[in-house]
Amino acid sequence: ELKVEQNPLFLSMQEGKNYTIYCNYSTTSDRLYWYRQDPGKSLESLFVLLSNGAVKQEGRLMASLDTKARLSTLHITAAVHDLSATYFCAVGLNDMRFGAGTRLTVKP
Amino acid sequence: DAGITQSPRYKITETGRQVTLMCHQTWSHSYMFWYRQDLGHGLRLIYYSAAADITDKGEVPDGYVVSRSKTENFPLTLESATRSQTSVYFCASSAWAPGQIPYNEQFFGPGTRLTVL
Repeated sequence: ELKVEQNPLFLSMQEGKNYTIYCNYSTTSDRLYWYRQDPGKSLESLFVLLSNGAVKQEGRLMASLDTKARLSTLHITAAVHDLSATYFCAVGLNDMRFGAGTRLTVKP
Repeated sequence: DAGITQSPRYKITETGRQVTLMCHQTWSHSYMFWYRQDLGHGLRLIYYSAAADITDKGEVPDGYVVSRSKTENFPLTLESATRSQTSVYFCASSAWAPGQIPYNEQFFGPGTRLTVL
């Protein structure tokens, strides 16, 4: 059974700092998704990674996928308060499995 | 309104009652999904549907029933609600292009907060 683990689950960081969120999964998959969720809101798609070595960047966020290591990273560069949210990775095709989420708080 | 909508947005019910949560999408996406979100568990897939009249179980299907008579609608029914089904329920949809590698980016509705007393 596919299992998805994210770490850390909670992340408090200062504005301007860099940090990485990790997403490990247990069985082979050639696709991985990152979503953002603001408190009380729905999920917003950030990145779709479809192949080994895929790297995508949007603003201060960069996501990568290593299918051999079954690992994806979401790197945050020079964090700003607006990035405060919960970030989820998800793996699979239709029977998709989500990680538990990383609650990111960016403090001034 | 275009997109994916859910109704009701909030629902309080009692143990043992039947509850139906509605999901409607205007994109003509072939795939639709139901998830529940609980603290510490992320999102867990309940059921999904590849097309009208085609449904399949997800990770946590027990206690739920789905149907899909029309492409745009995917109702979720709790036949006899239990307290453990108190949760936030999200519906999602995604497109499928036959003959192409499925992109499968899922688009989520606003959610329904269900409380079972």
